[in-house]
This record gives sequence, C-alpha cells and structure tokens, in this order.
Amino acid sequence: DAGVIQSPRHEVTEMGQEVTLRCKPISGHDYLFWYRQTMMRGLELLIYFNNNVPIDDSGMPEDRFSAKMPNASFSTLKIQPSEPRDSAVYFCASSSGQRETQYFGPGTRLLVL
Amino acid sequence: RKEVEQDPGPFNVPEGATVAFNCTYSNSASQSFFWYRQDCRKEPKLLMSVYSSGNEDGRFTAQLNRASQYISLLIRDSKLSDSATYLCVVNGGSSNTGKLIFGQGTTLQVKP
Repeated sequence: DAGVIQSPRHEVTEMGQEVTLRCKPISGHDYLFWYRQTMMRGLELLIYFNNNVPIDDSGMPEDRFSAKMPNASFSTLKIQPSEPRDSAVYFCASSSGQRETQYFGPGTRLLVL
Repeated sequence: RKEVEQDPGPFNVPEGATVAFNCTYSNSASQSFFWYRQDCRKEPKLLMSVYSSGNEDGRFTAQLNRASQYISLLIRDSKLSDSATYLCVVNGGSSNTGKLIFGQGTTLQVKP
C-alpha cells in the first residue's frame, strides 16, 4: 500500500517567492497533519485537518503560511512570500483516527535563499 | 519550560548494552504517549505506544509514571541498527487529543 506521498521532495527557492508543498494522505485516513522540523525547534505541528476541515492551526507561524485540504486525498501548504527562516523539513502525516498512529510522509526539504 | 523535554544525548553505547531514555511532559491532561524513532534524513515512525501499566515489545520496554509526568524507554541488547533519534511524544490533552507534541529527541549511537 502506498504511504503518505509528498511533493516535491526538495525545493530551493529565493526569498520572496511563493512555495507550495503538496501531500496525499493514506487512502481512508481522515486526519491530516502538517509539521515542520528544524534543528533549533525540533518537530512542530503547524496545522491539522479532520475530514478536510482545519481543526487546529495554532502552530501556523504567521499569515504568510496557509494550508488547504480541498478533498480527502489532497492537501497543500503554501508559503507566500517565503523567507530564509522558513528553511526546514516539512512533513505531512495522516491517521485513521484522533488517537490512531500517525504515518509520516518522506518530507519536503525546503531551502530559501 | 518545553512541553516535552528529553536529554538530547548523544548516547554512545557498545553493541549489547542496555540503554534508557527519559522524558518529562508538562500537560497533566495528556492521555496518549508514544515513542517514535527517526533515522537520519528520514521521517519519524512509531516505535511503540506507552501504556499506564508499562509495555514491552521485544527488546524495548516503555514505562509511564503519570504522577511524575515521566516516560521512559529501555532498550536491551542494543544493536547497530538501533542507532537513531528517539522522540518522546504526548498528545495535547483532553481538549486536543489529535495534536501530538514531540520532544527534541534523544540520539543513540550504537558502536561495534
């Protein structure tokens, strides 16, 4: 079975550019999570969805970040405009229930120059 | 104070050694507890859930002390393949059970 799929796997962009990260959760999972991982701050939850509805976006750092889930099989995390401090690994994860195991995608390594 | 605190290590141990990791959490309302494993440049993966009565999975034993808000992971007879970062994870409490809070991780290096 396919796991969580993320694209792109690597992204290098210049400051000020728009960045869009994509995620396809495991089929049948109704929870989707976006995380960011840096050396300084570790793994942080940015936002999570249940049945395509955002439940908690308190981790979204600022208005430059936005996330959408137009349907059960696709979500995007957008950064506009991007800044060098946004450089990190962004993970998407999904689960079949609130207390069920979260399965992570391989991550997108973002470098903003 | 961080919500989940771990000793970052690194722990450098020889093959066959027993090693223990500890973790404390600040939210007394947390109800779910986990250990995740993350290999270098890879995604985190669930190692095991942690139950109040303690639980064992092969060479791995997890313990939870709710009164002290303390979680532990014991690895016996460590293997080279156990080298990784181990993340202590708790949920966000009864009002936000879907939210997982990760510790910074403890790095283990098992040497031949």
